[in-house]
Amino acid sequence: NAGVTQTPKFQVLKTGQSMTLQCAQDMNHEYMSWYRQDPGMGLRLIHYSVGAGITDQGEVPNGYNVSRSTTEDFPLRLLSAAPSQTSVYFCVSLTTSGQETQYFGPGTRLLVL
Amino acid sequence: AQSVAQPEDQVNVAEGNPLTVKCTYSVSGNPYLFWYVQYPNRGLQFLLKYITGDNLVKGSYGFEAEFNKSQTSFHLKKPSALVSDSALYFCAVRASGTYKYIFGTGTRLKVLA
Repeated sequence: NAGVTQTPKFQVLKTGQSMTLQCAQDMNHEYMSWYRQDPGMGLRLIHYSVGAGITDQGEVPNGYNVSRSTTEDFPLRLLSAAPSQTSVYFCVSLTTSGQETQYFGPGTRLLVL
Repeated sequence: AQSVAQPEDQVNVAEGNPLTVKCTYSVSGNPYLFWYVQYPNRGLQFLLKYITGDNLVKGSYGFEAEFNKSQTSFHLKKPSALVSDSALYFCAVRASGTYKYIFGTGTRLKVLA
């Protein structure tokens, strides 16, 4: 099992550019989510999904879109990047049956100039 | 609305001494509580959780946490700290019936040799 993979590891964008952060998991987990981590703010939930075709907003969804067409993939789209979106982004998956443990990806460090 | 508070940005403790990292929460209904640890440039790793049952929960690496319903607290403890325990610790909560996890802002633990 590769677990949770994220690409890219690091990205620099200019204000107004769009991009997609990729996330995939090979554990057949129903639940996936995206967090951003900022100093002094902890982790904040952007969007989450409880299964293919189902997504919902977290605490800070503005400026981000998600879709869940398959169980494995949960991409995060930045529609028009802003400097306030400079952050480290983590993709997370967990199974909702049995052990409730969130598996974190390695993170994507995004810098918006 | 759910919320988590970690009142200390940093906790310093001497190696071999007991450590406590504090967490208080607010959630409707029964809480599901978690502790995670983050080492530099890594995603978060699960330490332990409380869902129901015994108020003292044992987890990985010798850590334990005590659930106190009347004080709405879930403090992380370890009887004897190691230098290698130095890391960033996050408390998280979710309400029953939802998989929307809310994280605290994190507490940096420094164990001094």
